[in-house]
Amino acid sequence: DGGITQSPKYLFRKEGQNVTLSCEQNLNHDAMYWYRQDPGQGLRLIYYSQIVNDFQKGDIAEGYSVSREKKESFPLTVTSAQKNPTAFYLCASSMIAGEGTDTQYFGPGTRLTVL
Amino acid sequence: GQNIDQPTEMTATEGAIVQINCTYQTSGFNGLFWYQQHAGEAPTFLSYNVLDGLEEKGRFSSFLSRSKGYSYLLLKELQMKDSASYLCAVQDSNYQLIWGAGTKLIIKP
Repeated sequence: DGGITQSPKYLFRKEGQNVTLSCEQNLNHDAMYWYRQDPGQGLRLIYYSQIVNDFQKGDIAEGYSVSREKKESFPLTVTSAQKNPTAFYLCASSMIAGEGTDTQYFGPGTRLTVL
Repeated sequence: GQNIDQPTEMTATEGAIVQINCTYQTSGFNGLFWYQQHAGEAPTFLSYNVLDGLEEKGRFSSFLSRSKGYSYLLLKELQMKDSASYLCAVQDSNYQLIWGAGTKLIIKP
């Protein structure tokens, strides 16, 4: 089955620790995205990538880092510099960014809780 | 600035019809998306509008008026499983999605 996987579904970390969230897709999509979702707010874009070895900052990139070494994978690291990291993190992918109906499809999400 | 407005919460009865509105002010427009999100799950794609008018897909329809910066999602023959949040998102001039906060729809028997 084609799709997007994120792991783990739930993640607990102590304050001050870096943590990496996994995102893999086998849809052969070019573009991948990371969003953060907080209660009562719209999805906010953290980083996106349109091609391997290239990525762009979104609206709230501070305290996060990403890599895109393979087309299928787009891991997100939440660093200790992120002031309020507890949130629901969603990874998405789309066919071609910037053209027409590049509908984004989402993975199941990772709920990160920093204690 | 860019802004998407949707009602925070709506309640409807099983079997009825409900209309969820979305108004937007964005820098450019390259399409409007509706997604459904059940609690604790990922958003799933429902519809896409780029031209004015109504797009019908089964029990769900979506309408767009670009001149008014307005869209609605119409859900007919409501079922309990339709209880979810409905997210409106607009693709701006840079093809980035600007998201509304979502409308939580509660279906009562």
